[in-house]
Amino acid sequence: KAGVTQTPRYLIKTRGQQVTLSCSPISGHRSVSWYQQTPGQGLQFLFEYFSETQRNKGNFPGRFSGRQFSNSRSEMNVSTLELGDSALYLCASMSGGQRNEQYFGPGTRLTVT
Amino acid sequence: QQPVQSPQAVILREGEDAVINCSSSKALYSVHWYRQKHGEAPVFLMILLKGGEQMRHEKISASFNEKKQQSSLYLTASQLSYSGTYFCGTESGGSARQLTFGSGTQLTVLP
Repeated sequence: KAGVTQTPRYLIKTRGQQVTLSCSPISGHRSVSWYQQTPGQGLQFLFEYFSETQRNKGNFPGRFSGRQFSNSRSEMNVSTLELGDSALYLCASMSGGQRNEQYFGPGTRLTVT
Repeated sequence: QQPVQSPQAVILREGEDAVINCSSSKALYSVHWYRQKHGEAPVFLMILLKGGEQMRHEKISASFNEKKQQSSLYLTASQLSYSGTYFCGTESGGSARQLTFGSGTQLTVLP
C-alpha cells in the first residue's frame, strides 16, 4: 500500500507571496491533518479534514487555509507569507476508527526569505 | 494543553535501557508515540488507548496509566538505530481527532 505523499518537498518563497502545498493520503483513509513543525514551537496542529469538511482548526491566523477533495487529497494554502512561516509542513493520513492511527508524509520544507 | 515529556534528552550506550515519560493534565483518550530522525518526518511507533493498554513494537514497548494520565515508552537493549527524537501525541477524544504533541525527547545511542 502506498504511503502518504506530499508535494513539493522543498519550497523557497519571498515574504508576501502565497504558497499551496499538496498531500495525498494512504488509499482508503478519508481524514487528513496538517501540522507545522518549527524548532521553537515544535509540532503544532493546523487543521483536520474529513470527507471534504474541515472538522477542526488549530490556533493559526486566517492566512492559513486548507481544503480536501472528493478523492481525499488535501491542499493547504498560506497567503501573505511571513518569515515566521518558515517550517516543515507535515500532512498526516488518519485511519479513523477507534485507534485512529496517523501516518505522516515526508513533509514540505518551506523557507520564506 | 501540551503534554509534558521527560527527560528532554538522554544519552545511552548500545544495549542499555531507557524510559521516556509523557504526562498530561487532561483526561486522555489515546497516546501516540513517534520517532523522528534528523531531516525526516516522524514515524509512527504505536498507539495506546485509555484503559491501561500495553503495546510492543520490536524491543520498544509502552504503557498507558489512565489514573495518572501518563504514558511511558520503554526502550530495551537499545540499538544505534533507536537514536532520534521521540514524541508523544495525545488525543482527548470526542470529535477532535488531532494530536497535541509534547516537545520531544532527544535520544542518542552511542556505540
